[in-house]
Amino acid sequence: AQTVTQSQPEMSVQEAETVTLSCTYDTSESNYYLFWYKQPPSRQMILVIRQEAYKQQNATENRFSVNFQKAAKSFSLKISDSQLGDTAMYFCAFMSPREYGNKLVFGAGTILRVKS
Amino acid sequence: NAGVTQTPKFQVLKTGQSMTLQCAQDMNHEYMSWYRQDPGMGLRLIHYSVGAGITDQGEVPNGYNVSRSTTEDFPLRLLSAAPSQTSVYFCASSRLRGVYGYTFGSGTRLTVV
Repeated sequence: AQTVTQSQPEMSVQEAETVTLSCTYDTSESNYYLFWYKQPPSRQMILVIRQEAYKQQNATENRFSVNFQKAAKSFSLKISDSQLGDTAMYFCAFMSPREYGNKLVFGAGTILRVKS
Repeated sequence: NAGVTQTPKFQVLKTGQSMTLQCAQDMNHEYMSWYRQDPGMGLRLIHYSVGAGITDQGEVPNGYNVSRSTTEDFPLRLLSAAPSQTSVYFCASSRLRGVYGYTFGSGTRLTVV
């Protein structure tokens, strides 16, 4: 079974600075998808960025980018120019198309606090 | 476009009571699922459905039932509530087998006393 590990329970960063959240996963699959979700205090789960494992190029969405290291099974999220609105819980998630139901497997989450 | 709608947003139950959490999506997504979120454990899959009339168990199915009679609706039933079922529940749906990610509802905070 696939597992996802987020080793940083909490992190903090100053406004306008850059922060990187770590995620590692374990799988024997070669084709899969990775996601970062943001959960602000409103509780809503918001998709931040996705990565397809067969694409070597790292995904980027505005201030959010990933460092995808397939051999190391690592998928970190970099937030540039941090803003107060980035304060949230961030979840890393894995999905394999070969697994029936295409279920998301989540890490335990990292609480990010952006300080002014 | 409402997306994924969950009701209620908050609920308090007494031990042994039953209830149904409602979930509806208007995006014609074939995949729907229920997760529970507990502190320090991320989100864990309870039940899921790959289409109308088809459901299956996830990681933590005990104490819960689901049905999928239409593409739009995927209710979650708690048969006899227990304090261990105190949690935040999320319904999610996706198209194209989830490769573009899932869309989540706003969650239901359930407390069982």
